[in-house]
Amino acid sequence: DAKTTQPNSMESNEEEPVHLPCNHSTISGTDYIHWYRQLPSQGPEYVIHGLTSNVNNRMASLAIAEDRKSSTLILHRATLRDAAVYYCILRDLRNSGNTPLVFGKGTRLSVIA
Amino acid sequence: KAGVTQTPRYLIKTRGQQVTLSCSPISGHRSVSWYQQTPGQGLQFLFEYFSETQRNKGNFPGRFSGRQFSNSRSEMNVSTLELGDSALYLCASSRTSGSYYEQYFGPGTRLTVT
Repeated sequence: DAKTTQPNSMESNEEEPVHLPCNHSTISGTDYIHWYRQLPSQGPEYVIHGLTSNVNNRMASLAIAEDRKSSTLILHRATLRDAAVYYCILRDLRNSGNTPLVFGKGTRLSVIA
Repeated sequence: KAGVTQTPRYLIKTRGQQVTLSCSPISGHRSVSWYQQTPGQGLQFLFEYFSETQRNKGNFPGRFSGRQFSNSRSEMNVSTLELGDSALYLCASSRTSGSYYEQYFGPGTRLTVT
């Protein structure tokens, strides 16, 4: 799987938007971009995924660069509950099986009240 | 809809023993994956089961094994436990097997080997 690069940590004020970047310069045309997050003392939680177009759901938005070499997870209004480690993961759609989630170090997001 | 459940939540074992962990996926989900999380290595993939068949396997020794039952519930077994097996073991289920589908994780089983 292609690798991703994320900042180790970021900080945000509560109720402010947060933009979490991810670089994936070696992404292939069949790689989906997935985001998961892990809250303290919990298992990872699916956030969002996309291929080429920007995606929105109730949790977040995913903005994908036109060349697909980078993407940004956007939390529109950070809350204390959003403090977590955020993982950007590439998954190859060509595999008929379930490509395992390959977790890097992720970005630790701190939210300040 | 009930989430992924894992039992037990906490377990303490002694070196050399074996352990079996259980995972019940979300109703209707047929794929179950297992991951190990340690402070040093982070989250690492163990294996995936779909329709009672192992579809994918990570780079772990043969002491780690698993199986899936016809109702999609899954178990993983670790034999001859070592201190380094102390970790949080996470189970994740997805609707089917395929990289498009998101995975839903359980709370994990915290295994401590003494």
